[in-house]
Amino acid sequence: KQEVTQIPAALSVPEGENLVLNCSFTDSAIYNLQWFRQDPGKGLTSLLLIQSSQREQTSGRLNASLDKSSGRSTLYIAASQPGDSATYLCAVRSDSWGKLQFGAGTQVVVTP
Amino acid sequence: NAGVTQTPKFQVLKTGQSMTLQCAQDMNHEYMSWYRQDPGMGLRLIHYSVGAGITDQGEVPNGYNVSRSTTEDFPLRLLSAAPSQTSVYFCASSYNSFTGELFFGEGSRLTVL
Repeated sequence: KQEVTQIPAALSVPEGENLVLNCSFTDSAIYNLQWFRQDPGKGLTSLLLIQSSQREQTSGRLNASLDKSSGRSTLYIAASQPGDSATYLCAVRSDSWGKLQFGAGTQVVVTP
Repeated sequence: NAGVTQTPKFQVLKTGQSMTLQCAQDMNHEYMSWYRQDPGMGLRLIHYSVGAGITDQGEVPNGYNVSRSTTEDFPLRLLSAAPSQTSVYFCASSYNSFTGELFFGEGSRLTVL
């Protein structure tokens, strides 16, 4: 059974510092991995999708890497801003149901 | 650019009542799904559909019913609400069930008294 872990559970950084969020998964047979952002009381916003054949994806200040063999993905957010404060979730798709297996998330606070 | 639209955003029910959570997407996605999000339990898949007329159960299907008569709509029915169904419900859709990026609605917060 696929298990997804995100460490740390919470992170606080001063504005301007780079953020590094980690995600690990137990079964490397995945279709893809997706990073989401969730603000309190809101839905999930898709940030980046990495297919199993890809090593990384970039969008603006965000960069996500994928190492299937070691079961790890890392989300980098450059030059953090207070508006980046949110919970970040990673999820992997590894079965034909289309089901995403989610990690518990990392709660990020960026202080001005 | 509506994406995935869920209604209602908030609902309070009494135990035993039934209701339907509506979900519609305008992206012509074949795959649609329902998740529930609970503190300490994360997001769990309730039901999913890979196309009009095709639905199947996810991890936690008991007490819920779905149908998919059109590509756009995927309603979730609570047959006889129980306090254990108090949760935040999210509808999500993607181009396909394997490689497509999954897009979520804003959620429906349900309280069962």
